[in-house]
Amino acid sequence: DSGVTQTPKHLITATGQRVTLRCSPRSGDLSVYWYQQSLDQGLQFLIQYYNGEERAKGNILERFSAQQFPDLHSELNLSSLELGDSALYFCASSVSGGLVDIQYFGAGTRLSVL
Amino acid sequence: AQKITQTQPGMFVQEKEAVTLDCTYDTSDQSYGLFWYKQPSSGEMIFLIYQGSYDEQNATEGRYSLNFQKARKSANLVISASQLGDSAMYFCAMREGLMDSNYQLIWGAGTKLIIKP
Repeated sequence: DSGVTQTPKHLITATGQRVTLRCSPRSGDLSVYWYQQSLDQGLQFLIQYYNGEERAKGNILERFSAQQFPDLHSELNLSSLELGDSALYFCASSVSGGLVDIQYFGAGTRLSVL
Repeated sequence: AQKITQTQPGMFVQEKEAVTLDCTYDTSDQSYGLFWYKQPSSGEMIFLIYQGSYDEQNATEGRYSLNFQKARKSANLVISASQLGDSAMYFCAMREGLMDSNYQLIWGAGTKLIIKP
């Protein structure tokens, strides 16, 4: 158990809908990362937060947004969902987000858009 | 150009044998970190081992060791005495020390390892 909690584990929804994925980082970790893993694109970095502030942005679509709350949990919001958004979404956390930081991953949320 | 290359899409290995998973990387930075993660069929991503570019010794964690050859820019994962539970996807990743990289992890495409009984 990595100590990173993601809910829900599975999500099935329809095109055009909006969903929220939730992540609780390991105790003491200030940095949270979101990744998307799809069969054709591999593992893609979406966005990183550090202590409530956005630190880095990757290949995140404008339909997607995230935030990190004062208690350090994070939410990833996906809106106007398309079939291609079906993927495994990971949250990871680390102490500071620096060069030698180890990112520990949650079990993922598997999103199916029908 | 790809920054992380894992040339073995899939591997079959007999149980109890040692296995080496290849990873080569490309960076112009002097300061970087290399990571290996395991993803079983259940889907979770499990951290295995880390090697820093300035570390003089190869990293080891139990049955996992990292064969780090800096001049060749390779960071191969070695699993000794493989077990059935080692069957999984294995990902190599790198984090560069460049400030404009924001220390993002760059991932390889992965190697699917299957351990045969």
